[in-house]
Amino acid sequence: EAQVTQNPRYLITVTGKKLTVTCSQNMNHEYMSWYRQDPGLGLRQIYYSMNVEVTDKGDVPEGYKVSRKEKRNFPLILESPSPNQTSLYFCASSLSGQPQHFGDGTRLSIL
Amino acid sequence: AQRVTQPEKLLSVFKGAPVELKCNYSYSGSPELFWYVQYSRQRLQLLLRHISRESIKGFTADLNKGETSFHLKKPFAQEEDSAMYYCALSAANTGNQFYFGTGTSLTVIP
Repeated sequence: EAQVTQNPRYLITVTGKKLTVTCSQNMNHEYMSWYRQDPGLGLRQIYYSMNVEVTDKGDVPEGYKVSRKEKRNFPLILESPSPNQTSLYFCASSLSGQPQHFGDGTRLSIL
Repeated sequence: AQRVTQPEKLLSVFKGAPVELKCNYSYSGSPELFWYVQYSRQRLQLLLRHISRESIKGFTADLNKGETSFHLKKPFAQEEDSAMYYCALSAANTGNQFYFGTGTSLTVIP
């Protein structure tokens, strides 16, 4: 089954403790991207990647890192999380430059 | 700056009535515009894109460059259309940044 898989689905952690949210797709898609969803703000793009080893900043990249060492994986890294990064995060992939297949989301709470 | 505005957070219509979800954009280049939908307890999914000029589930959207709008329309709303709808813009002239609106929650009243 074609899908985008995010892990974990839920995470509660503390300020400053590094964390990684994984994203994997099995459709051989070149384009992958990360978004955060906050009440009243909709979805905002954090980072995107057009292909392996090619990543670019989206609208709100501060405090986040990504890597694209393999086509199927696009992890989101929070080196030193802060409470303002508490949010619902979505990963997406597609063949072209627009998100088409989304993951189920990861709800992060940073205390 | 590229921005997408959806002026209505909530929209309620009766079943069988026409529905229009508004979307306006601000963009200095040639935009690519999209509508996404998220049904209750389901993943966000692409509904349609302006470049395809398609009709999906009875919905259509026309890009009006003069009014910088991309409103989503359906002549007869169905209960299963109740969902969250997001308008989005691809900023091709600055790489492939992607901007979503804040969304409109549509409720179709039986």
